[in-house]
Amino acid sequence: AQSVAQPEDQVNVAEGNPLTVKCTYSVSGNPYLFWYVQYPNRGLQFLLKYITGDNLVKGSYGFEAEFNKSQTSFHLKKPSALVSDSALYFCAVRDDSNYQLIWGAGTKLIIKP
Amino acid sequence: GAVVSQHPSRVICKSGTSVKIECRSLDFQATTMFWYRQFPKQSLMLMATSNEGSKATYEQGVEKDKFLINHASLTLSTLTVTSAHPEDSSFYICSARYLGSYEQYFGPGTRLTVT
Repeated sequence: AQSVAQPEDQVNVAEGNPLTVKCTYSVSGNPYLFWYVQYPNRGLQFLLKYITGDNLVKGSYGFEAEFNKSQTSFHLKKPSALVSDSALYFCAVRDDSNYQLIWGAGTKLIIKP
Repeated sequence: GAVVSQHPSRVICKSGTSVKIECRSLDFQATTMFWYRQFPKQSLMLMATSNEGSKATYEQGVEKDKFLINHASLTLSTLTVTSAHPEDSSFYICSARYLGSYEQYFGPGTRLTVT
């Protein structure tokens, strides 16, 4: 069965420091991986996706993610965190059989000034 | 491009009444739409998947008669919460995809409060 794990409920980072939000996945075929961000009482905003190609994917708002097939990971990164990056981040993998997204539990990112 | 809207953004209704939430794809034809429910500080829970012109496929544990989903056109899907109760209060999010797209495009969500 396909699954996504976000091992950290919360990540705290000081403003200006690099940030990493972890995601690991388990799929039977080729992984189609996504990161979304959700601000309070808002819908989800797409950050980036990995379909194929370069392992380092660049996305919105300065975020990037590295696809690592051997470690089955797709960690979200940003070189220098902003207070405005504080939000809830979700990793997801697409189920090829029905196009549904399998969601991680979410990680709350808190950037402190 | 690929914008999805939801209406209303917030709704308060009395227990026992029904409420309809609309999800529209504004600039593409949504062959598939998804309805999610999200509890506070939790991940999204898929309620149902609907393909245009077909009956929705509900996830296990989701009551079909309570959460009526209609996907009558390529740009509109509706979720009707029938005989709402306070425990139905939640954040409801829809998403849509077009034929051939890898990703889903999300609406801004609807906050339902049942009093």
